[in-house]
Amino acid sequence: DAGITQSPRHKVTETGTPVTLRCHQTENHRYMYWYRQDPGHGLRLIHYSYGVKDTDKGEVSDGYSVSRSKTEDFLLTLESATSSQTSVYFCAISSSPGWLEQYFGPGTRLTVT
Amino acid sequence: AQKITQTQPGMFVQEKEAVTLDCTYDTSDPSYGLFWYKQPSSGEMIFLIYQGSYDQQNATEGRYSLNFQKARKSANLVISASQLGDSAMYFCAMRELSSQGGSEKLVFGKGTKLTVNP
Repeated sequence: DAGITQSPRHKVTETGTPVTLRCHQTENHRYMYWYRQDPGHGLRLIHYSYGVKDTDKGEVSDGYSVSRSKTEDFLLTLESATSSQTSVYFCAISSSPGWLEQYFGPGTRLTVT
Repeated sequence: AQKITQTQPGMFVQEKEAVTLDCTYDTSDPSYGLFWYKQPSSGEMIFLIYQGSYDQQNATEGRYSLNFQKARKSANLVISASQLGDSAMYFCAMRELSSQGGSEKLVFGKGTKLTVNP
């Protein structure tokens, strides 16, 4: 199994509070991704990183920011959490060039009350 | 516009029978890749099979095969000899090339819930 961990695995927070989710990899892969999974929507890309300090937006980036100061860590921050951000968040990694699949972390279940 | 369409929200199959999960896609890029992932009730995403747009033969991985019909833009997953452990959500995804940094990202369908009955 690819070495990807996510922390925390579960979190309940209140509307308006900041939240940071962490993705850590031990594979030294260049690319890292944050997805959210909601019923009826599958997985949707929030942000991704193609190198240290290199990030770009996905299709549902509003309300989220990311940072990657070193290869192994990719942080997702909700500056001011809203109930619509209640979701399961997955981190994924892939190598380059010619990668075939992304490896996914175990997911973080976030509830915003 | 939706790029990956999975028209079957739920499917049922008897144990030991074969089942086909549908996936159609939309892209104008001649180079693309199609993936299937399995998500059991425990929540993890498990890679099953990959098909590249230039691959001449349909991909196979054990009991999984991909029925790739390029002209119809379909990439259906076939599971042979279904097992109870195959009960899960199945997601079809397509690789897109990003304009930034040459990164490739996946676009997912909404999934099909497969239930295998004993």
